[in-house]
Amino acid sequence: AQTVTQSQPEMSVQEAETVTLSCTYDTSESDYYLFWYKQPPSRQMILVIRQEAYKQQNATENRFSVNFQKAAKSFSLKISDSQLGDAAMYFCAQRTYKYIFGTGTRLKVLA
Amino acid sequence: KAGVTQTPRYLIKTRGQQVTLSCSPISGHRSVSWYQQTPGQGLQFLFEYFSETQRNKGNFPGRFSGRQFSNSRSEMNVSTLELGDSALYLCASSSGELNTGELFFGEGSRLTVL
Repeated sequence: AQTVTQSQPEMSVQEAETVTLSCTYDTSESDYYLFWYKQPPSRQMILVIRQEAYKQQNATENRFSVNFQKAAKSFSLKISDSQLGDAAMYFCAQRTYKYIFGTGTRLKVLA
Repeated sequence: KAGVTQTPRYLIKTRGQQVTLSCSPISGHRSVSWYQQTPGQGLQFLFEYFSETQRNKGNFPGRFSGRQFSNSRSEMNVSTLELGDSALYLCASSSGELNTGELFFGEGSRLTVL
């Protein structure tokens, strides 16, 4: 069965600091994709970053990067130089034949 | 390019009633998927349609159904509403047939069941 677990319901970070959001997943499939999505308050969910499971190199998108540990089935998101606009719910997701999302981590950014 | 449009944005129903939610995907996108979002549960996959065919289905009772039209617009229906159906229902569209790409989400339809 596919599962995605986000064990941190809420995190806080000081503006300009770095924060890491955790995600673990489970699947028996060998071909899958992993994603982090951001849902700002009362706004649409948007893609932050994507990782193909067959690629060993960690994906990066500007201030966002992932630490993909395939053997450990871990997929954490690192946000560097945190900004007030980063405050949102962050969802980790896995895609094989369907999308499975985690329960989300609410990130607060403190000025 | 217009984004994913969901209607209605808010609605209130009473137990036992039924509801139909609509989703218009981004032009050119043939895949539409639906999710139920509740606090503490995250997003739960309902179903996915591609070119008018249901491609995948989540673990929801038969009261939840959907369909997709030839113009890729999709509707989902919930019959015999229960209090636990109160949630934000999100629709997302994507372009590729393999559906390994980015999901583009609508703003959601917030359903309250009294």
